[in-house]
Amino acid sequence: DTGVSQNPRHKITKRGQNVTFRCDPISEHNRLYWYRQTLGQGPEFLTYFQNEAQLEKSRLLSDRFSAERPKGSFSTLEIQRTEQGDSAMYLCASSFGTGEGNQPQHFGDGTRLSIL
Amino acid sequence: KQEVTQIPAALSVPEGENLVLNCSFTDSAIYNLQWFRQDPGKGLTSLLLIQSSQREQTSGRLNASLDKSSGRSTLYIAASQPGDSATYLCAVNGGNQFYFGTGTSLTVIP
Repeated sequence: DTGVSQNPRHKITKRGQNVTFRCDPISEHNRLYWYRQTLGQGPEFLTYFQNEAQLEKSRLLSDRFSAERPKGSFSTLEIQRTEQGDSAMYLCASSFGTGEGNQPQHFGDGTRLSIL
Repeated sequence: KQEVTQIPAALSVPEGENLVLNCSFTDSAIYNLQWFRQDPGKGLTSLLLIQSSQREQTSGRLNASLDKSSGRSTLYIAASQPGDSATYLCAVNGGNQFYFGTGTSLTVIP
C-alpha cells in the first residue's frame, strides 16, 4: 500500500491555459473522489467515480472541468481556460466500498494550482 | 443540502489537557462520518470512521462519538501532545458525496 499519489505537487500557469492533474489511488480501492480546497476552508466535493463510472458531479464542476478514470485505475482532472478563481489545492481521495458501505477515505497530498 | 459546522474554529490548550472537538450536521440521513487531521500544506489523514449504525469508535488517545438523530459528533483527544497540533476536519457521507466542515485549528502548547 503506497498511498494515494498526486502529480504534480505544484502547478503555476497563466490565466487561460489548460492544466491536467493526475491521481493514482490505492490499488484495491474502487472509489475515487476529487475535491477542491481553498485557504481556511474544508474540502469541497467535485466528483466521484466508482471504478470507471463517474457517478456524481458537483455543480461546482463547470463545463471547463472534466475528469476521467479510464479502466478504473488512475484518474485525471483537467481544467480548461483557467481563471484566477481556480487557484486552490486539488485533492484526490480513494476508498473501497460496496453499496452504502464505505471504508475510510485516504487522501493524497494534493496539487496546488496557482493562476498568474 | 447537507451543512456541516465545526466549533470552535480554533483552540489552544496546554500539553496534557483532554479536549473535545464538535461537529454538527443538518441532515441526519448519513451513511457514515469520518474525522481527519490536516497539517499545513498537506492532504488529510484519516483518524476515525463511524458508520451510521455505530455510536462511537476509538483509536489510541482518540474517541469519536456519533449521535445521528441530533446531528452531532464529537472527537475526544486525551492527554494532548504538541504533535497533535493540526486542523481537525469532520466529513459526513450523504451517499455519493462527502460534506466537510471548515475545521478546528488545534494548538497544543508545550
